[in-house]
Amino acid sequence: SQQGEEDPQALSIQEGENATMNCSYKTSINNLQWYRQNSGRGLVHLILIRSNEREKHSGRLRVTLDTSKKSSSLLITASRAADTASYFCATGGSARQLTFGSGTQLTVLP
Amino acid sequence: DGGITQSPKYLFRKEGQNVTLSCEQNLNHDAMYWYRQDPGQGLRLIYYSQIVNDFQKGDIAEGYSVSREKKESFPLTVTSAQKNPTAFYLCASSIGADEKLFFGSGTQLSVL
Repeated sequence: SQQGEEDPQALSIQEGENATMNCSYKTSINNLQWYRQNSGRGLVHLILIRSNEREKHSGRLRVTLDTSKKSSSLLITASRAADTASYFCATGGSARQLTFGSGTQLTVLP
Repeated sequence: DGGITQSPKYLFRKEGQNVTLSCEQNLNHDAMYWYRQDPGQGLRLIYYSQIVNDFQKGDIAEGYSVSREKKESFPLTVTSAQKNPTAFYLCASSIGADEKLFFGSGTQLSVL
């Protein structure tokens, strides 16, 4: 079974609202990564957070990591229609060991 | 522009046929990967290569083969032994083993 699982599976919000999606995992990790995938396209890396970090920011993105709860969250602030995509968390000790969840489908309505 | 190029974008396979998906990168990355994505699901690792002339099986290697004769190229062959090949195939690369992945735009493989 896959290590990281995102929640919710689907999320629909209005433009300008914040979007929060969560990722839970089962075993110890070195780092956790978030990726975005537009329909029919490849994945784009968003943020990598290491196991000794608790929070990381990149533009409108904020990622938190709670290793005691084995969970992470991705917050997108002031969402735009262009943020509509699937968002995946990936966990593992190294790139070759990464396991991806099944993703959260985010729809931002104009 | 630096990046990963996958071709073709769409590919159709007939029964019993082998098909090869191309993946080329000009990022000078050592490591390259092939993933399979089924509808509504995450990615599963097929094969990875950390250096030229070396590659390792991932979680779902059966029915697939790869080669890594050049640093820039990591083609994937879907053989006739792969009975359910219809999926979206993604190639990726990374600078090192513990770094983020850069992805190509994918190849959609379908069975005729």
